[in-house]
Amino acid sequence: DTGVSQDPRHKITKRGQNVTFRCDPISEHNRLYWYRQTLGQGPEFLTYFQNEAQLEKSRLLSDRFSAERPKGSFSTLEIQRTEQGDSAMYLCASSRWTGRTGELFFGEGSRLTVL
Amino acid sequence: KQEVTQIPAALSVPEGENLVLNCSFTDSAIYNLQWFRQDPGKGLTSLLLIQSSQREQTSGRLNASLDKSSGRSTLYIAASQPGDSATYLCAVRPYSGAGSYQLTFGKGTKLSVIP
Repeated sequence: DTGVSQDPRHKITKRGQNVTFRCDPISEHNRLYWYRQTLGQGPEFLTYFQNEAQLEKSRLLSDRFSAERPKGSFSTLEIQRTEQGDSAMYLCASSRWTGRTGELFFGEGSRLTVL
Repeated sequence: KQEVTQIPAALSVPEGENLVLNCSFTDSAIYNLQWFRQDPGKGLTSLLLIQSSQREQTSGRLNASLDKSSGRSTLYIAASQPGDSATYLCAVRPYSGAGSYQLTFGKGTKLSVIP
C-alpha cells in the first residue's frame, strides 16, 4: 500500500501526559500537512512542511504542540502536557507540489482521547 | 476569512436515487476546490479536485461542478448505493496570500442511502 500511513490509530492518555503521532507520506510527495478534526466539524489546518522545512503554522498550534519532518520524509506531531481539549482526530495529508496544483491525500488519522 | 458551508447537514435517500450535495464559500478567490468522502472514524478519501479554471470534473457516478463567481459547488451522485453512505466534505484552497496552502473545510453532509 502506498497511501499515507499514520501511527498509532488511537491513543488514550491521561491529562498532562505527552503524546507523539507519526505520519509517513506517499513516497514521492514533497509536501506534508497536519490537520485536526473534532466531532461534527471539518478538519482544521495545523501546519505544513515542504520537504524538511516547516513553512506555515496555524494559531491552533499552541506552544505545547511541535511538529518535525527531520529528513523530509516522515513527520511527527508531539503534544506536551495534554489537555482534555486536545481530544480530536489528528489527520496527516501529503501532496506532490507541481506548480500550484496538488491534490491532498489523507491518512486514516490518529484519534486522541485525553482522560 | 473564508467560510465554507455545506447544506444539508444530513440527507437520507432510497437506493437508486440521484442526489446533489451543495457547498458554498464566501471568498471566490480560490485556486481549487476538493471533494472528500469520510467514513465513520476514518480519514478522508479524495473524490474530485476542480481547479478554479474548470467548470466540472467527473469520476464514475460522481460529477462535481464549480461556479467560482457565485461561490458554489455541487457534487452530483448518480444511482446512489448503500455503499455511498458516508460524510462528504468540500474544501477550498485560497488563491494567494497568507495561508494560501491551507484548505478550509465545510462541516460536511452526512449521507445515508437506504437499501
